[in-house]
Amino acid sequence: GAVVSQHPSWVICKSGTSVKIECRSLDFQATTMFWYRQFPKQSLMLMATSNEGSKATYEQGVEKDKFLINHASLTLSTLTVTSAHPEDSSFYICSARDWRGGNQPQHFGDGTRLSIL
Amino acid sequence: GQQLNQSPQSMFIQEGEDVSMNCTSSSIFNTWLWYKQDPGEGPVLLIALYKAGELTSNGRLTAQFGITRKDSFLNISASIPSDVGIYFCAGHIAAGNKLTFGGGTRVLVKP
Repeated sequence: GAVVSQHPSWVICKSGTSVKIECRSLDFQATTMFWYRQFPKQSLMLMATSNEGSKATYEQGVEKDKFLINHASLTLSTLTVTSAHPEDSSFYICSARDWRGGNQPQHFGDGTRLSIL
Repeated sequence: GQQLNQSPQSMFIQEGEDVSMNCTSSSIFNTWLWYKQDPGEGPVLLIALYKAGELTSNGRLTAQFGITRKDSFLNISASIPSDVGIYFCAGHIAAGNKLTFGGGTRVLVKP
């Protein structure tokens, strides 16, 4: 089945640090990838839609200058949390859809646990 | 915006029991998906449904796309300990649109 790889699995860093998370589709090409945030015991909340070769589309309330998204190739999207603070600590999950579109479902990475001290 | 109401929020299972959960919406969905998430991991796709009335099985899992296109259920038969986890329903209102997620059903083992 489709595999999405997310790296790193967890990050612990000091307040003020910028953190980059990578999302790769390993056996398919993805023109669209999605970034989610999940708080403990809650559902997934879509942050932004990452479009290959163009600007990401951010959901209402998500700061685009805080959460920088780059989707430079059909198999890689990155999320950079800039100047991270403790309130940015969360579980970040990416997903990708096969570029052939239609009814292809989203497949998810294993998530990145981000802890800001 | 679209909302998916998923129930129950949590349930306890005993090995061998059948388990059922469902999602409803006030909006029509073109696709229904069921995912399972284990602690510290991303959701894994269990079943995808694309047509109203469609009934699909994956091993001990069975899911149906409601005729009204506003609901879906997931059944797990003869549950085993590894069925513990959080199950999410999700749907698209149209091909290519972002997914809307339900609140999740937490399946736990009876003590």
